[in-house]
Amino acid sequence: QLVESGGGVVQPGGSLSLSCVVYGFNFTDFGMHWVRQAPGKGLEWVARISYDGTNKFYADSVKGRFTISRDMSKNTLFLQMRNLRIQDSGLYFCAKPTAGVWGQGTTVAVS
Amino acid sequence: SYELTQPPSVSVSPGQTARITCSGDALPKKFAYWFQQKAGQAPVLVIYEDTKRFSGIPERFSASSSGTVATLTIAGAQVEDEADYYCYSIDSSGTFYVFGSGTKVTV
Repeated sequence: QLVESGGGVVQPGGSLSLSCVVYGFNFTDFGMHWVRQAPGKGLEWVARISYDGTNKFYADSVKGRFTISRDMSKNTLFLQMRNLRIQDSGLYFCAKPTAGVWGQGTTVAVS
Repeated sequence: SYELTQPPSVSVSPGQTARITCSGDALPKKFAYWFQQKAGQAPVLVIYEDTKRFSGIPERFSASSSGTVATLTIAGAQVEDEADYYCYSIDSSGTFYVFGSGTKVTV
């Protein structure tokens, strides 16, 4: 089970930090992802981090503004978002997509 | 950047077969995955590694991949199969993942 938190309303140019606590599987064994979905739009892959946190990759749309990280001791995945834009609004999912594991998402509204 | 192309919509009558295609240049060498998403819900993995049905997915769902095209088939589609379907894969460098644009299936 994945439980996201940290969403909210923020002004353009602002910052927000999302968290995802992992329950029920060995967090240290798997790479993890953030995926988002703008209202009424499709799924967009945002970022991923390797199982040990050493490799991080970002979609072009967020590169340089978002940072993915993980805390092994807390079984938690993070997404730090800076310089937010209106088009960053949406539902943000923590996931291990190819294993079929998804959270329920947390909503970010940039307005 | 890498793209996966899907038709925007597919419409079938109950009991008919629905087929959804996903085109991408790296698909000959990279696995395709398929997700089902119903309104207000998180995506559900339907197919992994091109052709394997995920746990709990009905047998009417199957998939294939040939060359640059992956195909999801719903044989004998049911009303409850109405949803958005997304393909998902990784680019040829093995670095960046991408979702297809999504296909709305109407039954």
